[in-house]
Amino acid sequence: AQRVTQPEKLLSVFKGAPVELKCNYSYSGSPELFWYVQYSRQRLQLLLRHISRESIKGFTADLNKGETSFHLKKPFAQEEDSAMYYCALSGNNNNDMRFGAGTRLTVKP
Amino acid sequence: DTEVTQTPKHLVMGMTNKKSLKCEQHMGHRAMYWYKQKAKKPPELMFVYSYEKLSINESVPSRFSPECPNSSLLNLHLHALQPEDSALYLCASSQDPISGGPAQYFGPGTRLLVL
Repeated sequence: AQRVTQPEKLLSVFKGAPVELKCNYSYSGSPELFWYVQYSRQRLQLLLRHISRESIKGFTADLNKGETSFHLKKPFAQEEDSAMYYCALSGNNNNDMRFGAGTRLTVKP
Repeated sequence: DTEVTQTPKHLVMGMTNKKSLKCEQHMGHRAMYWYKQKAKKPPELMFVYSYEKLSINESVPSRFSPECPNSSLLNLHLHALQPEDSALYLCASSQDPISGGPAQYFGPGTRLLVL
């Protein structure tokens, strides 16, 4: 069974501070990991995926298979980063996406 | 067109009503999904269609009936719902999971209230 754990429901940082949203997963095969973001009154949207190894809006995430983690990081948080962030995992059959419980990030001025 | 659209945006229905939710995408995606999202909770997968065939049904009650008339359209037929079915219903689509990968693109959702 695949499972995604986001241990922090709420995370609050000041503008300019580094931020890390934690995500751990359990899956027996080779998963594909994603971060989705939902800004206030907007649709859920893909932020980044581990196979792309790219930086979006200053965010990066590295898949650590040893620690089964896919933490999302940004060195300098901005107020516009305030949103709900979901870590998600897609398994071998590629159609089954499982979401973590989500972390609500608040960036204070 | 690079968006997933959903209609209606809001729906109020009684427990004896029959209604349908509609989802459309014109990105050439071959997999489409229905999710249910309760307030302050993550999306929960309900159904997956791959190449217009139902590939995943997450033990959803039969009062929810999905339909995929073609590769661009996905419907969710609702009948005899319960108040606890009130939620935001999200549609998503993704490319061919083998060649394109499973990254999903979401619609804005239909907010359903069952009275």
